[in-house]
Amino acid sequence: AQSVTQLDSQVPVFEEAPVELRCNYSSSVSVYLFWYVQYPNQGLQLLLKYLSGSTLVKGINGFEAEFNKSQTSFHLRKPSVHISDTAEYFCAVMTGTSYGKLTFGQGTILTVHP
Amino acid sequence: EAGVTQFPSHSVIEKGQTVTLRCDPISGHDNLYWYRRVMGKEIKFLLHFVKESKQDESGMPNNRFLAERTGGTYSTLKVQPAELEDSGVYFCASSRRLAGLTGELFFGEGSRLTVL
Repeated sequence: AQSVTQLDSQVPVFEEAPVELRCNYSSSVSVYLFWYVQYPNQGLQLLLKYLSGSTLVKGINGFEAEFNKSQTSFHLRKPSVHISDTAEYFCAVMTGTSYGKLTFGQGTILTVHP
Repeated sequence: EAGVTQFPSHSVIEKGQTVTLRCDPISGHDNLYWYRRVMGKEIKFLLHFVKESKQDESGMPNNRFLAERTGGTYSTLKVQPAELEDSGVYFCASSRRLAGLTGELFFGEGSRLTVL
């Protein structure tokens, strides 16, 4: 079984500041890693994913994440946030045979203040 | 291209009543998933359809929940009878057949269920 822990339930930041949303996972098998984002009154959408290869992955809207196998982490970063980045962010994992069966973390609410 | 559509957006029912949630996936998406988020908790997998067949229903909490996918198009999730602990947001997601292997799911906005 897999589990995902998002270390911060809420992260307030000021506009144009950098941000890091932390995610750790536990699994006895190799997993794929994802960050999904839910903007207010919208469905979740895929921000970025790590399947294999380079451990630094870039996603939409200037976000990036780094897979660290030894620390079992997949932290999400953005060097300069905008008001429009205010949303809830979900880290998730999936095994190679799960076919879309994602295990999610608890979510982190990012609030960007002017 | 229309996204994943869920109906109703919010439903308030009394304990013991029945509720049916509907999901219309993106056209052409063979994979359809149901997830649920109970207040304050993580989003949890309920089940997965490939076309009209249930591929994985390991996350269904109990036999009060019944999911169907008629003709491999839209899906319904019925809760009968509803209990207080069933309150939460029910998300539907869909993907093309092979995209399920890479976790690229398209989610609807969710149906919020409140059981009083």
